[in-house]
Amino acid sequence: EVQLLQSGGGLAQSGGSLRLSCAASGFNFRTYGMSWVRQAPGKGLEWVSGINESGDDTSYADSVKGRFTISRDNSENTLFLQMNSLRGEDTAVYYCAKDHHDYWSKYGVDVWGQGTMVTVSS
Amino acid sequence: DIQLTQSPSLLSASVGDRVIITCRAGQGIRSYLAWYQQKPGKAPKLLIYAATTLDRGVPSRFSGSGSGTVFTLTISSLQPEDFATYYCQQLSSYPFTFGPGTTVDI
Repeated sequence: EVQLLQSGGGLAQSGGSLRLSCAASGFNFRTYGMSWVRQAPGKGLEWVSGINESGDDTSYADSVKGRFTISRDNSENTLFLQMNSLRGEDTAVYYCAKDHHDYWSKYGVDVWGQGTMVTVSS
Repeated sequence: DIQLTQSPSLLSASVGDRVIITCRAGQGIRSYLAWYQQKPGKAPKLLIYAATTLDRGVPSRFSGSGSGTVFTLTISSLQPEDFATYYCQQLSSYPFTFGPGTTVDI
């Protein structure tokens, strides 16, 4: 079964840091691009960041650029999101997600993690 | 960044109704559009990718159309399990923005 199991998250102070992890299983992780998507309480979906299958191409939403870093460890089948300089507006449920097609990011994401809540307090 | 708008934002419907949701892109995105369904407290579910292709296991009452800047998601006969929020997402260029969502309720 294809699964993404998230860990990390929780409560952080404004200006603080958190690291999210997403452990993949049931598919060839090293051939799929991955993404992070977040959803603030009562709001819509916001794409946060994406990374290609090899990890050498990354992209970020303007709202997190320069503060968040996406990375992956293909030997451990794990995706990461390092979040620094956290702000109140970063409070959200964060989801990791797998590209629908290997080596191709333009068909959306078809498997999602269970989500992890990040709360930033001032 | 490519902006997406969705209409309507809220749609009240009944079981058996035909429902159409529209997604408009601020610039042409060819067919690089996906549709997702999300129910409260759950992760989104991919319904359609490449604007018109139904993902595996998605009921055939769902269909997608469009290319360029205007896209539609159609539910041919609304079922009780279809009451949810629907999002479009463009995958033409980064950042891969989502639309604001359309909530389908009774």
